[in-house]
Amino acid sequence: AQSVTQPDIHITVSEGASLELRCNYSYGATPYLFWYVQSPGQGLQLLLKYFSGDTLVQGIKGFEAEFKRSQSSFNLRKPSVHWSDAAEYFCAVGGNEKLTFGTGTRLTIIP
Amino acid sequence: EAGVTQFPSHSVIEKGQTVTLRCDPISGHDNLYWYRRVMGKEIKFLLHFVKESKQDESGMPNNRFLAERTGGTYSTLKVQPAELEDSGVYFCASSPLTSGSFRGVGELFFGEGSRLTVL
Repeated sequence: AQSVTQPDIHITVSEGASLELRCNYSYGATPYLFWYVQSPGQGLQLLLKYFSGDTLVQGIKGFEAEFKRSQSSFNLRKPSVHWSDAAEYFCAVGGNEKLTFGTGTRLTIIP
Repeated sequence: EAGVTQFPSHSVIEKGQTVTLRCDPISGHDNLYWYRRVMGKEIKFLLHFVKESKQDESGMPNNRFLAERTGGTYSTLKVQPAELEDSGVYFCASSPLTSGSFRGVGELFFGEGSRLTVL
């Protein structure tokens, strides 16, 4: 069975600081990996996805993620966060027409 | 282009009552999904429609939940009778049918969710 672990429930970073959100997955085959973000009052929005090829994936809003098969990880990074990045972030693995999500990481930005 | 819309945004009902949630997918999207997030936990798959047919309903918790998709357009999710543990946020998502090597997994477009509170 597929599963996703996001070990950090809540992260606080200063505006302008770098960010890394952790995601580990379990999946029996080549995974399809996603990061979604939910801002307050909004639906889930896709940040980026990995299907195959280059293991460093660029997404919207300046985010990137790196797929590391040996570590079963797909961590999300941003070099410099903005106050508007405050939101909840979800990692997901896809297969057989459905996504399996992690529990989410809530990001707080302090001035 | 309108996104996925869900109604109501928030519903508060008492245990034993009935609630119906509605989802209007993006026009032309044949795939429609329902997910649920119980507070503090992961977003869990409930079921998947392709057009009006249920492709996978393995995530439906029990027979108190009934999902329909009339004519392959909008979908409803009815909970009857509601229990306390049904509280959570119910998300709807849609996507176009894909073909080829993606095996049907692509970007899902999510609505804002319907928050259900059962007292």
